[in-house]
Amino acid sequence: GESVGLHLPTLSVQEGDNSIINCAYSNSASDYFIWYKQESGKGPQFIIDIRSNMDKRQGQRVTVLLNKTVKHLSLQIAATQPGDSAVYFCAERSNQFYFGTGTSLTVIP
Amino acid sequence: DTEVTQTPKHLVMGMTNKKSLKCEQHMGHRAMYWYKQKAKKPPELMFVYSYEKLSINESVPSRFSPECPNSSLLNLHLHALQPEDSALYLCASSLGQGSYEQYFGPGTRLTVT
Repeated sequence: GESVGLHLPTLSVQEGDNSIINCAYSNSASDYFIWYKQESGKGPQFIIDIRSNMDKRQGQRVTVLLNKTVKHLSLQIAATQPGDSAVYFCAERSNQFYFGTGTSLTVIP
Repeated sequence: DTEVTQTPKHLVMGMTNKKSLKCEQHMGHRAMYWYKQKAKKPPELMFVYSYEKLSINESVPSRFSPECPNSSLLNLHLHALQPEDSALYLCASSLGQGSYEQYFGPGTRLTVT
């Protein structure tokens, strides 16, 4: 598989603060990226995606930033809530989707 | 209906057993996937079906045998598994192969004894 990694395996944030989860990828040919949220006992849930011809995409409380120069992807969650506690994976698509290591986000009430 | 369903939710099997995992979607998606996920690890792609034909096998041992009877169903037949095959098996589907958002099922938690 491709090398898609995350800088931090765990992240703890205070409720109401903003969260930033980072991801590095190695394949410059990857043209599509997805962030997934996986809660305990569940399958990954799509959060937001971005194509390689974009630098930024915003959703509801979430923003994905793509820096192709340094092959870096980030997920920003605004006003983090306890329900945001989960493991977050980035995935890149070259010929297939490959998942990064995952970051466990814990929101402290 | 934007749901991928998987049965059973949990499965315990011995190393000599034969069992099957089932996955179903009614979103009209033409690509379906099997992933294996070990604890605290990312999902690893096993198989991809596109238009009911196997298009990708990520060097998966032959004790795992996928089947796509029709565009809505995906099976994974298991035979002579090893304890290290214990994992969460996730099914996913997408409109087309590799190019679109994948919808994941809740997974089957498999334990091989």
